[in-house]
Amino acid sequence: EVQLVESGGGLVQPGGSLRLSCAASRFTFSTFGMSWVRQAPGKGLEWVATINADGSEKHHVDSVKGRFTISRDNARNSLYLQMNSLRAEDTAVYYCARVWSDGKFDYWGQGTLVTVSS
Amino acid sequence: DIQMTQSPSSLSASVGDRVTITCRASQGINNDLAWFQQKPGRAPKSLIYAAYSLQSEVPSRFSGSGSGTDFTLTISSLQPEDSATYYCQQYYIYPLIFGGGTKVEVK
Repeated sequence: EVQLVESGGGLVQPGGSLRLSCAASRFTFSTFGMSWVRQAPGKGLEWVATINADGSEKHHVDSVKGRFTISRDNARNSLYLQMNSLRAEDTAVYYCARVWSDGKFDYWGQGTLVTVSS
Repeated sequence: DIQMTQSPSSLSASVGDRVTITCRASQGINNDLAWFQQKPGRAPKSLIYAAYSLQSEVPSRFSGSGSGTDFTLTISSLQPEDSATYYCQQYYIYPLIFGGGTKVEVK
């Protein structure tokens, strides 16, 4: 079955940086789009960013534009989220999800917690 | 941006009950509407895409309907394991937007 495993979360001070990773396996990674979705403690789901299969198209939610960047390495079957200038409101569990060409999500990872606090 | 309004925000029903959750988009989204189930402390699980198509291995008691701006998730016979929060999502246009969620409690 498809596997998505996030890593890289942790505690970071406001203004700091983190890079999240999502390791994909058991499917042809280079043929699927991928997304990051986050969930603040006790809150609902919020889409963060999506990248297409070859990495040529990227979309980010306005609240992270200029601070976060989604990227991928198809040779390593890996998805990334570079997060800079982190704020307290970025505190959340971050999930990666597989995306078909028509935009539908199917498989999700287990999530990685990012805590932004001094 | 498209707004996605889910109702109710929570409900309580008994085993065997028919449960309906609605999701309204602020503008037409074709049928680019998905439903997800999330249990406490767990990752979301995809249930339905394209408004009414079931993801693989999702029980047939789950169904979706609607088009344009108004959509519905129905659980035909509620089971104890259906206790969870359910979210709709439009993937018609960026930014992708999730509804606020509906918490379903099984009495």
